[in-house]
Amino acid sequence: TQLLEQSPQFLSIQEGENLTVYCNSSSVFSSLQWYRQEPGEGPVLLVTVVTGGEVKKLKRLTFQFGDARKDSSLHITAAQPGDTGLYLCAFYNQGGKLIFGQGTELSVKP
Amino acid sequence: NAGVMQNPRHLVRRRGQEARLRCSPMKGHSHVYWYRQLPEEGLKFMVYLQKENIIDESGMPKERFSAEFPKEGPSILRIQQVVRGDSAAYFCASSPPVRTGGFYEQYFGPGTRLTVT
Repeated sequence: TQLLEQSPQFLSIQEGENLTVYCNSSSVFSSLQWYRQEPGEGPVLLVTVVTGGEVKKLKRLTFQFGDARKDSSLHITAAQPGDTGLYLCAFYNQGGKLIFGQGTELSVKP
Repeated sequence: NAGVMQNPRHLVRRRGQEARLRCSPMKGHSHVYWYRQLPEEGLKFMVYLQKENIIDESGMPKERFSAEFPKEGPSILRIQQVVRGDSAAYFCASSPPVRTGGFYEQYFGPGTRLTVT
């Protein structure tokens, strides 16, 4: 059973388009992390959301944490080829392990 | 401050050989975690170590896999008698010995891609 469900699994869009990817769960989290993983590299932390309803912006990326702290979304405005990669949401369990969703594989074509 | 270092970046082994993957944590980090990424399974926790101690190995396969983080030197993930199913990307992460927001924030290395032929 996947604790974090990410959708869509794959997304292929043209440069300049907007997109939203989702991270859903039936569990409540104290915080959620979003990572981007480029081909051949390790995950890099983009943001941590902590408060229900919180919105954080990172240039063209907007992250939202659901009011009930069970879900999160990532919206990218005017996507660029450099945004291509695997987007992962994750949370720390009580033992300190990171538990990841399956990820959304994004491809932005010029 | 150099990031988490892993070597080798790519490793090819024949079935039955041993694979040794190395991880040097960031300076000042005393916690090391290993994760495995399989295409069909995503990124999964394997083991959590502090210097000379295994804290949590609940994600490690019961046989052939072992990990250590000695007092001096890098952390080593060792896979004995590799099989094709061990082919994956193995990532190490490290964290400082202080909590941020209730957890030890982890920073990932670039990974070792293991291919078993």
